[in-house]
Amino acid sequence: NAGVTQTPKFQVLKTGQSMTLQCAQDMNHEYMSWYRQDPGMGLRLIHYSVGAGITDQGEVPNGYNVSRSTTEDFPLRLLSAAPSQTSVYFCASSYSGLGSNEQFFGPGTRLTVL
Amino acid sequence: GDSVTQMEGPVTLSEEAFLTINCTYTATGYPSLFWYVQYPGEGLQLLLKATKADDKGSNKGFEATYRKETTSFHLEKGSVQVSDSAVYFCALTRYGGATNKLIFGTGTLLAVQP
Repeated sequence: NAGVTQTPKFQVLKTGQSMTLQCAQDMNHEYMSWYRQDPGMGLRLIHYSVGAGITDQGEVPNGYNVSRSTTEDFPLRLLSAAPSQTSVYFCASSYSGLGSNEQFFGPGTRLTVL
Repeated sequence: GDSVTQMEGPVTLSEEAFLTINCTYTATGYPSLFWYVQYPGEGLQLLLKATKADDKGSNKGFEATYRKETTSFHLEKGSVQVSDSAVYFCALTRYGGATNKLIFGTGTLLAVQP
């Protein structure tokens, strides 16, 4: 049981490049989400999904796209990277989208945009 | 909107000292409250949670009590160890909300010296 996995661990992009951050979980969780972590700001929700085929925006969605074609995978796409997207990105999952279920976090992807 | 405020760090303590990290929240309805811990280079892990007023969450010697009258959820530990050095995040999710979105505080870095 690998839990929540994220790839890559580190990435450097140039402004305007695109890339996809991968996230997968093997716990059959319905709810998945993406956060970004910036100094002094805690974690902020980018996008989330309550099940395959269903996604919605979080607090800071601009510049990011998501899709959820399977229960296991929830990739985050940067279409045209900007320096403001330099951050650490965490994917998380939980059994349900309701209530106080524990969220399980991946190890993170550290992204630098030059 | 809902928010979480926690004390700024870093908090530097000697081994076996008493720890308190303050957390207060603003939320409508009846949120669930959480403490997550992030060890260096890792993702976040749930440390403890409380889902209703006067509940006490506890784990690994850490405790926090859900105080509705003071809208607080302070984290305490009687005797810290070097291995407790990490960033601690207070968070809330609204009970009965449509999704499991977590709202995080900015995090408090704890450094424990031998």
